[in-house]
Amino acid sequence: GAVVSQHPSWVICKSGTSVKIECRSLDFQATTMFWYRQFPKQSLMLMATSNEGSKATYEQGVEKDKFLINHASLTLSTLTVTSAHPEDSSFYICSVVGTSGYNEQFFGPGTRLTVL
Amino acid sequence: AQSVAQPEDQVNVAEGNPLTVKCTYSVSGNPYLFWYVQYPNRGLQFLLKYITGDNLVKGSYGFEAEFNKSQTSFHLKKPSALVSDSALYFCAVRYYSSASKIIFGSGTRLSIRP
Repeated sequence: GAVVSQHPSWVICKSGTSVKIECRSLDFQATTMFWYRQFPKQSLMLMATSNEGSKATYEQGVEKDKFLINHASLTLSTLTVTSAHPEDSSFYICSVVGTSGYNEQFFGPGTRLTVL
Repeated sequence: AQSVAQPEDQVNVAEGNPLTVKCTYSVSGNPYLFWYVQYPNRGLQFLLKYITGDNLVKGSYGFEAEFNKSQTSFHLKKPSALVSDSALYFCAVRYYSSASKIIFGSGTRLSIRP
């Protein structure tokens, strides 16, 4: 399967600041990446689909101006949480779609964001 | 609409005993089903998938899952549980309207006691 990394693995920031999270596909070119958020003891919620070279597609209820996604290359997608607030504190996970054609996704290790 | 349900929040099993983590699904068309495992503060790891073919699918770490069309189920199983299997398990199904998106169940926490 694909190897996916995320940076940073954890971040603490003050309310009102912006935080950028990177997702890298290390061993193959990913035209599509996904961003999820996960609250404690809950399932993953899909936030958006990141498409290389085009605008991200956001799920209903996700603020596109709040969560900026950039997929500038086939190996890198970034999620920027703008003007972060404590309610944005969560575990953010990215994934890439495998190349077998059967849609299994390979996930990064996640980024724990804590907004004070 | 595509959906999966995991009816058990938690499953407790003694080490060495067989384990089952339940999943039922509701789909339009042929189901593409997946199981993932998540260890604490980590991303998800792919365990196995069902696309077509044999109803018994074998995956990583000795896990297998049985696709049952009549019962719309895709239960995860392992003949002999290990303490290291303790983790959070997610069943997932492909979105009908998208070739890539998948939707996750609520998750089942598996606890294996020594």
